Amino acid sequence: EVQLVESGGGLVKPGGSLRLSCTASGFTFSDYPMNWVRLAPGKELEWVSSISSSSSYIYYPDSVRRRFTVSRDNARNSLYLQMNSLRAEDTALYFCTRGRGNYPHYFDYWGQGTLVTVSS
Amino acid sequence: IVLAQSPGTLSLSPGERATLSCRASQTISDNFLAWYQRKPGQAPRLLISGASTRAAGIPDRFSASGSGTDFTLTISRLEPEDFAVYYCHQYASSSTFGGGTKVEIK
Repeated sequence: EVQLVESGGGLVKPGGSLRLSCTASGFTFSDYPMNWVRLAPGKELEWVSSISSSSSYIYYPDSVRRRFTVSRDNARNSLYLQMNSLRAEDTALYFCTRGRGNYPHYFDYWGQGTLVTVSS
Repeated sequence: IVLAQSPGTLSLSPGERATLSCRASQTISDNFLAWYQRKPGQAPRLLISGASTRAAGIPDRFSASGSGTDFTLTISRLEPEDFAVYYCHQYASSSTFGGGTKVEIK
């Protein structure tokens, strides 16, 4: 059974940093691209980052480029999201997702999410 | 590409048919459109990819169609577990989502 479990969310002040993790199981992690998607209160789902299976290709939307860094450790079956210079508008539930197809991906499995709150 | 989902909320009874719409601001090439279901506190679940291909394990009461800018998700007969929020997602040009349609019990 495919499982994606996010962790690392919490309360952080504006301008602060946070590192999210996602641990995958039930599939060969190194075979799949992975992504982060977020859902802010009262807003639409927003794709946040994509990373190819070997980390060769990485993509971000303008809203987080130069502030967020996605990475992965295939030996540990883990995906990460380093978030710097956090803003109130980054407050959201962050989902780890498995990608399918070529970039841009659709997402065939999602975790339950980890909540990030940016507030003073 | 901006996706507009309608209606925002659909109030129906179990056994009824649900028809959800997703309209794109420009043509979605190759029908790269997906639909997801999300229940409170749960991970979203992929229902449909490629505009009309059901994901593994998805019951056949879920069907989807459309092309270009207009797409539809239909649930032929609502089961109690189908009351949830449904999102469309285009992955033809970057990646964007619709605002969701909540299917609630009438």
